Amino acid sequence: DAGITQSPRYKITETGRQVTLMCHQTWSHSYMFWYRQDLGHGLRLIYYSAAADITDKGEVPDGYVVSRSKTENFPLTLESATRSQTSVYFCASSEFPTDTQYFGPGTRLTVL
Amino acid sequence: AQSVTQLGSHVSVSEGALVLLRCNYSSSVPPYLFWYVQYPNQGLQLLLKYTTGATLVKGINGFEAEFKKSETSFHLTKPSAHMSDAAEYFCAVSSLKSYKLIFGSGTRLLVRP
Repeated sequence: DAGITQSPRYKITETGRQVTLMCHQTWSHSYMFWYRQDLGHGLRLIYYSAAADITDKGEVPDGYVVSRSKTENFPLTLESATRSQTSVYFCASSEFPTDTQYFGPGTRLTVL
Repeated sequence: AQSVTQLGSHVSVSEGALVLLRCNYSSSVPPYLFWYVQYPNQGLQLLLKYTTGATLVKGINGFEAEFKKSETSFHLTKPSAHMSDAAEYFCAVSSLKSYKLIFGSGTRLLVRP
C-alpha cells in the first residue's frame, strides 16, 4: 500500500540495549523526518534527511543515530537506550522542505 | 528562531458550539503555518496550511484559520463542533529560511454531547 509505515508499532526494551525503529515511504519523497512526542512538549525534531546519504540534526539528536542509504527508508537507532527515551516516535516525509509533511502511525517505545 | 504557543492545553465545547483553538507564533521571517490533527493512537494529519496569499485558509472537516500578521496569530475555528472533532490539535511553523517544522505543545479538544 502507498504511504508511510513504521515498525514496530510497539516496543519494550531495557536500558542499555540498542533499538532500531524503521520508517518506509512509498512516495519517493526527498525529505524525511523523525520526531518524538512527549506530554507537554508537542513534537520535537530528532533528525531529518534531505535526500539519500544526507542527514542533519534536529532539536533533540543526542542518543540517536540515523542513516539513509535508500530514498524510501529512514531508520532511527537508539545506540544505548535510556529511560528518558521512552516516548512515541513519528516518522514523516515531504516532497519539498516547506511542503506538507505526511506522518506515519508512530512507534510507542518503552525503555525499562 | 521560530516558536509556537498554543493557549490552553485542553478546550471543552458542547456539540454544535463554536470551536476556537488559539495559536501564536514567533518568526523573524515570513512564516509558513500549519494546523495538524491527531486522533488517538494515530499519526498527525494536515488540517490546513498557510504559505502565501489569502490570509483566510479553509481546511478539511469544516475548519478554517486566519493568518493575522499584526497579531502574530493563526487561530483555528469551526462554526459547529461535532463529536468526531474530539482530538489533539497542533499548530506548527516553518519558513523558507528554516524548513524545520516547529510544533506547539498541542491542544486537546473535548466535545460534550
